[in-house]
Amino acid sequence: GAVVSQHPSWVICKSGTSVKIECRSLDFQATTMFWYRQFPKQSLMLMATSNEGSKATYEQGVEKDKFLINHASLTLSTLTVTSAHPEDSSFYICSARDLEGIGYTFGSGTRLTVV
Amino acid sequence: GQNIDQPTEMTATEGAIVQINCTYQTSGFNGLFWYQQHAGEAPTFLSYNVLDGLEEKGRFSSFLSRSKGYSYLLLKELQMKDSASYLCAVVPGDYKLSFGAGTTVTVRA
Repeated sequence: GAVVSQHPSWVICKSGTSVKIECRSLDFQATTMFWYRQFPKQSLMLMATSNEGSKATYEQGVEKDKFLINHASLTLSTLTVTSAHPEDSSFYICSARDLEGIGYTFGSGTRLTVV
Repeated sequence: GQNIDQPTEMTATEGAIVQINCTYQTSGFNGLFWYQQHAGEAPTFLSYNVLDGLEEKGRFSSFLSRSKGYSYLLLKELQMKDSASYLCAVVPGDYKLSFGAGTTVTVRA
C-alpha cells in the first residue's frame, strides 16, 4: 500500500532556531500534501495545503512566514518551522493524496520540542 | 469552515459494544473516514463511507446518513487494546480532510 515516510520522528531544538521536517511518498506520487499540527489531547488541525510546483495555501491563523512549506516534487514536501519558540512544540503530521485522489496516507509524525 | 462534533470520552468494559457518534456540517461532502489514534502516533485508517449505509469490517462497523449529516463507528467485542482516540474526519468539497476533536475510548477489564 501507499507509504509516506516522515523524518525526523522527534526533534529537540533551541528557541530561535529552525527545524525542517520532510515527508516523502515512497511508492506513489503525491499531488497534494497536507500538514497538520496536533497539541496534546486535541485533534489534528490543518495548517496548510501544498500542491507540487505551486505555493502552499495556509489556513487562517497560520503564519506563512513562520511555517515554510516546499513541495518541489511529486514525492517530497517539507515543512520548516523558522525561529521556533516553545509554543511551537507540538506533533506535526503530513498527509498525502495520491494522483487518483482516493485516499489519504499519513506520515508517522514528528514530535517537536522547543527548549 | 467545517463543523464536526463527536463526544469527548467514552468508557466501556471488555467484551462490550461501544458506538461513537459523529455529526457534521461541511461545505460539500466527498466521504467520511474513521481513524484510530494512539497517543504520540499517527492516525490509522479504520473505515471510509461515501454512500449511505453500513460498512462492516470485522469487529468495527461504520454507518453513514448523508441527509442527516451523521455517522457512527461501532466497536464490538471490545478489547483492552481498543483503548485509544477515535477520530471522525470528513472530506469536504475542497478535499481538505477535516477532523473532529476525537473521542477517547477507555476499555476497562
